[in-house]
Amino acid sequence: KQEVTQIPAALSVPEGENLVLNCSFTDSAIYNLQWFRQDPGKGLTSLLLIQSSQREQTSGRLNASLDKSSGRSTLYIAASQPGDSATYLCAVRPISSGSARQLTFGSGTQLTVLP
Amino acid sequence: DADVTQTPRNRITKTGKRIMLECSQTKGHDRMYWYRQDPGLGLRLIYYSFDVKDINKGEISDGYSVSRQAQAKFSLSLESAIPNQTALYFCATSDISGAQPQHFGDGTRLSIL
Repeated sequence: KQEVTQIPAALSVPEGENLVLNCSFTDSAIYNLQWFRQDPGKGLTSLLLIQSSQREQTSGRLNASLDKSSGRSTLYIAASQPGDSATYLCAVRPISSGSARQLTFGSGTQLTVLP
Repeated sequence: DADVTQTPRNRITKTGKRIMLECSQTKGHDRMYWYRQDPGLGLRLIYYSFDVKDINKGEISDGYSVSRQAQAKFSLSLESAIPNQTALYFCATSDISGAQPQHFGDGTRLSIL
């Protein structure tokens, strides 16, 4: 069964710092990996989706990488801002799920960017 | 107005009660999902529906049922609520080209005493 782990569970950094969030998964047979942002009292917002054939995706100050063979993904946030404070979740879509195509989520990293 | 609306946003109820959580969407998407989130855990899929006549169990469907009343509406029911169903519940949607959720509601926080 696919398992997705995000370490650390919480991270606090000063404003302006570049930072990396980590995601690891146990089964490399995936269609894609997706990073989400969750703000308190809100639903999830998709940030980046990386197909299994891709190595990275970029959107503004965010860059997500995927190393399928090692079961790892990172989310790089450049020049962090207090508005980046949120919980970041990664999720993988396993090939083995067939028509179910169920995403398997990590438990998230709660990021706090201090002014 | 939000694209995916969940009602109620918060609910406190007692063990044994029947509860319905409702989800409506204005995205025009065919596919709808129900997830639950527990502290320290990722989201887990309860049920999903690819169209009005297609309902599928997810990873943790026991104790839950769903109804897809229309393309825009997908309800989750707890027939006899128990305390370990206390969680944050999310509805999500995706279009026919998306095999995974694209848009999420803001969640329903459910507490069962």
